[in-house]
Amino acid sequence: SQQGEEDPQALSIQEGENATMNCSYKTSINNLQWYRQNSGRGLVHLILIRSNEREKHSGRLRVTLDTSKKSSSLLITASRAADTASYFCATDRTGRRALTFGSGTRLQVQP
Amino acid sequence: DGGITQSPKYLFRKEGQNVTLSCEQNLNHDAMYWYRQDPGQGLRLIYYSQIVNDFQKGDIAEGYSVSREKKESFPLTVTSAQKNPTAFYLCASSIASGTGNTIYFGEGSWLTVV
Repeated sequence: SQQGEEDPQALSIQEGENATMNCSYKTSINNLQWYRQNSGRGLVHLILIRSNEREKHSGRLRVTLDTSKKSSSLLITASRAADTASYFCATDRTGRRALTFGSGTRLQVQP
Repeated sequence: DGGITQSPKYLFRKEGQNVTLSCEQNLNHDAMYWYRQDPGQGLRLIYYSQIVNDFQKGDIAEGYSVSREKKESFPLTVTSAQKNPTAFYLCASSIASGTGNTIYFGEGSWLTVV
């Protein structure tokens, strides 16, 4: 079963603009992670935010978590063509010792 | 270099055949995972293993089998009972299973039924 649902499913922006992706989930979590996948490749970890954190930054990435709404957002600032990829949220929910991934957002950054 | 190696990259299966996808890691990780990804979709968990000689079913284990005889290796067999096996298969590992651990992925294997 899919724990997370990303929104939008696809996003196309111009280089230099900001990209915001949202993730909603259904059950209580211990933490939430974001991963990136280039087409036809494996996933790469971007950032982890714990359930007791509300915001976290890493370089051009900013992640927020609202456990009351069971949602998270990933903001990529000053996007580059190289940011073109699919982005997935993954939750580490209570009682399950493996990550559950959402359906992903496909980001296209036009040069 | 440390990492996760999946082979083969591309595999074709005839109807009724079993095929095995290889996954090897040299990261000294205890936990290993198999996920399936259909085109344009998210990842679904097939099996995971927290330690050698132990593994648990994920959300879509039917038609698949695994073994974990060595820490470094977690092969996945796609059996003839899996009626729609065409997909991208991703192997991953983490230092341990459980909360807060980053998982590291291999480059994936494409399986096509012909």
